[in-house]
Amino acid sequence: AQSVTQPDIHITVSEGASLELRCNYSYGATPYLFWYVQSPGQGLQLLLKYFSGDTLVQGIKGFEAEFKRSQSSFNLRKPSVHWSDAAEYFCAVGSPYGGSQGNLIFGKGTKLSVKP
Amino acid sequence: KAGVTQTPRYLIKTRGQQVTLSCSPISGHRSVSWYQQTPGQGLQFLFEYFSETQRNKGNFPGRFSGRQFSNSRSEMNVSTLELGDSALYLCASSFRQAGDEQFFGPGTRLTVL
Repeated sequence: AQSVTQPDIHITVSEGASLELRCNYSYGATPYLFWYVQSPGQGLQLLLKYFSGDTLVQGIKGFEAEFKRSQSSFNLRKPSVHWSDAAEYFCAVGSPYGGSQGNLIFGKGTKLSVKP
Repeated sequence: KAGVTQTPRYLIKTRGQQVTLSCSPISGHRSVSWYQQTPGQGLQFLFEYFSETQRNKGNFPGRFSGRQFSNSRSEMNVSTLELGDSALYLCASSFRQAGDEQFFGPGTRLTVL
């Protein structure tokens, strides 16, 4: 079955520290991979996406993610966290086949808290 | 360019009632997907509409239905509301090309009493 696992429900980091959020997926083929962020009371905003090519993907707000096919992982990283990064982060997979783009499968999310 | 808009933003209903939520996609987007977000189940796909036709459907009971109009605006309806339907309902739009990003609206917070 297709699924996305985010093993960490809640992570607390100090402002200025580095961050890595983990994501593993189970899918029949290499899917399209996404990271979204959700602030309280808001919808989801796309941070970055991977379709093919370079396995290190740069996104907005200084985030990057690395696709590792052998580990079925797509971990999100940021070298220095800012207090405004406190939010919930969702990893998602989408079908690589044309015409099946409407269904994203999400992980349960990782809530990030930032200590001053 | 205006983002995805959803109305209403908040809604309170009682068990047994029905509710209709509305979503206006980004101009030019013809695909609209709906998701339910709850603390327990997370984000779950409800259905997707493209060119007024339902293209994909998630694993939800028939009480959940939707439609899309010729201007790509979409509505979802939930009949005979249950307490467990309390959730944030998110709508997302895209061009529906391979690998397209889905742009999400702010959601409608439904509370069922």
